[in-house]
Amino acid sequence: ETGVTQSPTHLIKTRGQQVTLRCSSQSGHNTVSWYQQALGQGPQFIFQYYREEENGRGNFPPRFSGLQFPNYSSELNVNALELDDSALYLCASSLDWEGYNEQFFGPGTRLTVL
Amino acid sequence: SQKIEQNSEALNIQEGKTATLTCNYTNYSPAYLQWYRQDPGRGPVFLLLIRENEKEKRKERLKVTFDTTLKQSLFHITASQPADSATYLCALVGGYALNFGKGTSLLVTP
Repeated sequence: ETGVTQSPTHLIKTRGQQVTLRCSSQSGHNTVSWYQQALGQGPQFIFQYYREEENGRGNFPPRFSGLQFPNYSSELNVNALELDDSALYLCASSLDWEGYNEQFFGPGTRLTVL
Repeated sequence: SQKIEQNSEALNIQEGKTATLTCNYTNYSPAYLQWYRQDPGRGPVFLLLIRENEKEKRKERLKVTFDTTLKQSLFHITASQPADSATYLCALVGGYALNFGKGTSLLVTP
């Protein structure tokens, strides 16, 4: 059983650019949630995908969008990057969409926006 | 407004002692609360889940309490070890999402 993987590990972009982050969920999991973690803060919920549909969204603007594929892997896209988007982006997979399920987090992608 | 507050200062304790971490919340009514451990540069790792009708939950050296009247959860690590040094996050379950606190940094010294 493989764990949650994310790519790339690190990324440097400039303001206004677009970025795509990728996540492979744990085998058997149909739900992926994405979180943004700024330095010294707890993770903040961006959105969740359940069986290829967006199932819920946090307080993030529409320039944050995502996809989930038939194999339940997922992408996070961020358009028109801003300096404040610099953070660790975490994806977490779980057996089902309900929040009480244990979330299995990947190692994260560290995004720096210059 | 909704708030989740964890010990603002880092917690330094001596090996063998019990570490107690606090999670207080306002304007939430969570049915579940989870605790995670996060090491530097890594994703959080699930430790324990406690339901609102459970007062206490234990797993090996870990114990969590959940008081919905006080709106507080306490997380205890007994017989602490240097390997327990990490940041500990509490997360309130709101439907499909986890709402995390900032975390408490724990340092266990030999």
